[in-house]
Amino acid sequence: KAGVTQTPRYLIKTRGQQVTLSCSPISGHRSVSWYQQTPGQGLQFLFEYFSETQRNKGNFPGRFSGRQFSNSRSEMNVSTLELGDSALYLCASSPYSTGTYEQYFGPGTRLTVT
Amino acid sequence: LAKTTQPISMDSYEGQEVNITCSHNNIATNDYITWYQQFPSQGPRFIIQGYKTKVTNEVASLFIPADRKSSTLSLPRVSLSDTAVYYCLVVEISGGYNKLIFGAGTRLAVHP
Repeated sequence: KAGVTQTPRYLIKTRGQQVTLSCSPISGHRSVSWYQQTPGQGLQFLFEYFSETQRNKGNFPGRFSGRQFSNSRSEMNVSTLELGDSALYLCASSPYSTGTYEQYFGPGTRLTVT
Repeated sequence: LAKTTQPISMDSYEGQEVNITCSHNNIATNDYITWYQQFPSQGPRFIIQGYKTKVTNEVASLFIPADRKSSTLSLPRVSLSDTAVYYCLVVEISGGYNKLIFGAGTRLAVHP
């Protein structure tokens, strides 16, 4: 099976712009989660989608949003970019619906905000 | 609020057993404690998870005491390829949502 894929792998944006990142989960996986990874804050949970519904979320501002499509592919959007949004954004998928957090991560999208 | 604490770094030698402990409080009572491994320029990779007592798979063991306020990842006979960052992952229930909380990570260096 193909692994989790994320596009694009690298992205450079300017403050104030918005960005959309894409994630294709492993075939058959219905849960998709998004994380932000920075040297200072480490791995931080953004949100999780399951069957097109946001099921769980972290403590990020409303500028960070996401959605999941009927084929389980997911997108994450960040509006009004700030310098502090520069990070590696990781997507993870899981075949499980509840209770377990055995997830399979993609390689990430490296976002640089200038 | 849930909080996790892991050692920042550890050193070991090939063939030794390595134990990495994560302290965590206020975690969800019904969710698993999970550990991940991350190599540079890659996403984290699932290692093992458990709810309580001891779990073992082909690569590691996980020990969780009855109070679930900590967990210890045990890597038997490490090799150079085990050099990586190891994260514990716990769940906090907040505002009706499950919030996944990663520890800060333990950087393990395995020496020849």
